[in-house]
Amino acid sequence: ETGVTQSPTHLIKTRGQQVTLRCSSQSGHNTVSWYQQALGQGPQFIFQYYREEENGRGNFPPRFSGLQFPNYSSELNVNALELDDSALYLCASSLWTGGYNEQFFGPGTRLTVL
Amino acid sequence: AQSVTQPDIHITVSEGASLELRCNYSYGATPYLFWYVQSPGQGLQLLLKYFSGDTLVQGIKGFEAEFKRSQSSFNLRKPSVHWSDAAEYFCAVGPPLTGANNLFFGTGTRLTVIP
Repeated sequence: ETGVTQSPTHLIKTRGQQVTLRCSSQSGHNTVSWYQQALGQGPQFIFQYYREEENGRGNFPPRFSGLQFPNYSSELNVNALELDDSALYLCASSLWTGGYNEQFFGPGTRLTVL
Repeated sequence: AQSVTQPDIHITVSEGASLELRCNYSYGATPYLFWYVQSPGQGLQLLLKYFSGDTLVQGIKGFEAEFKRSQSSFNLRKPSVHWSDAAEYFCAVGPPLTGANNLFFGTGTRLTVIP
């Protein structure tokens, strides 16, 4: 069974650019959540996708958007990058069954915005 | 508004000593409660969770946590710390009605273990 994988591992962008981060969910999972973890902080919930639809969103502006594909992998897109977007971006997958579903986290993508 | 407070930013313990990491939460009702561990270059790993019932929950790697409703606390404990326990620990809460998929995390406690 393959765990949650994320690519790339590290990324450097400049302010104003756009970035796409990718996540492959664990086999059998149908839900993907994205979190932003700034240095010295806990992860903050960005949004969640279930069956290719956004299924909940945290307090992030619209320039943070996402996609989920039929194979349940997911992308996080961030437009008009700002310096404060520098963070570790974590993806977590789970199997939504209506009750509690444990999230399994990937190792993250470290984004640096210069 | 929901909040999770981990008052200790950094804790240092000797190997073999006991450990307690503090977590206090503010929430409208009793949420789902979690402890996660994050090692460098690794994703978050779930140590244990509390939904309801017995207020003392056992987790992996010899960790346990106790839910105290009156104190809105969910402290993590381990009787004897191993060097491999050095990591960042996060307490998190999740809304019980949504399956806790949108977790709200504290700022974390970094644990250093000295020989």
